[in-house]
Amino acid sequence: KAGVTQTPRYLIKTRGQQVTLSCSPISGHRSVSWYQQTPGQGLQFLFEYFSETQRNKGNFPGRFSGRQFSNSRSEMNVSTLELGDSALYLCASRWGSEQFFGPGTRLTVL
Amino acid sequence: SQQGEEDPQALSIQEGENATMNCSYKTSINNLQWYRQNSGRGLVHLILIRSNEREKHSGRLRVTLDTSKKSSSLLITASRAADTASYFCATDVAYNTDKLIFGTGTRLQVFP
Repeated sequence: KAGVTQTPRYLIKTRGQQVTLSCSPISGHRSVSWYQQTPGQGLQFLFEYFSETQRNKGNFPGRFSGRQFSNSRSEMNVSTLELGDSALYLCASRWGSEQFFGPGTRLTVL
Repeated sequence: SQQGEEDPQALSIQEGENATMNCSYKTSINNLQWYRQNSGRGLVHLILIRSNEREKHSGRLRVTLDTSKKSSSLLITASRAADTASYFCATDVAYNTDKLIFGTGTRLQVFP
């Protein structure tokens, strides 16, 4: 089976812009989670979707949002970008208790 | 905030030696997972251990779990240069299995 894929792999934006990241889970996996990784805060949970419904949300401002489509693909959107949003954004799909991660999208905000 | 703390923060060893990393967490869990990350890339799933298990093996990896001490250890035997990476433990919480809480990570450097 193909692994979790994320696009784009790298992105450069400026403050105030918005960005959309995409994640395709492993075939058959219906749960998709998003995580942010920064040197200062480490890996932090953003949100989790299952069958197009957000089931869990981490402690991030409302500028961070997401959605899931009927084919389980998920998108994450960040509006009004701030410098501190520069991070590696990781998507994971879940099977049972195991979560499998994609390669990440490296977002740089200038 | 992160639940887990990992120890040591960094570890340097020679090829062939064993590497041991420790993870502590704060709340009751259902499962604990270990991941490897190479140079800011994605996380590679290594092993999952359930709260009712005490030890698990996978190839050169050995994981132990002590729920009374809320701690886990990852042992990599006969290390190789290719094992150079950051290693993270991740726990769910007993009432919420959907979300993983990660430790701070251990940076392992294996010298040839």
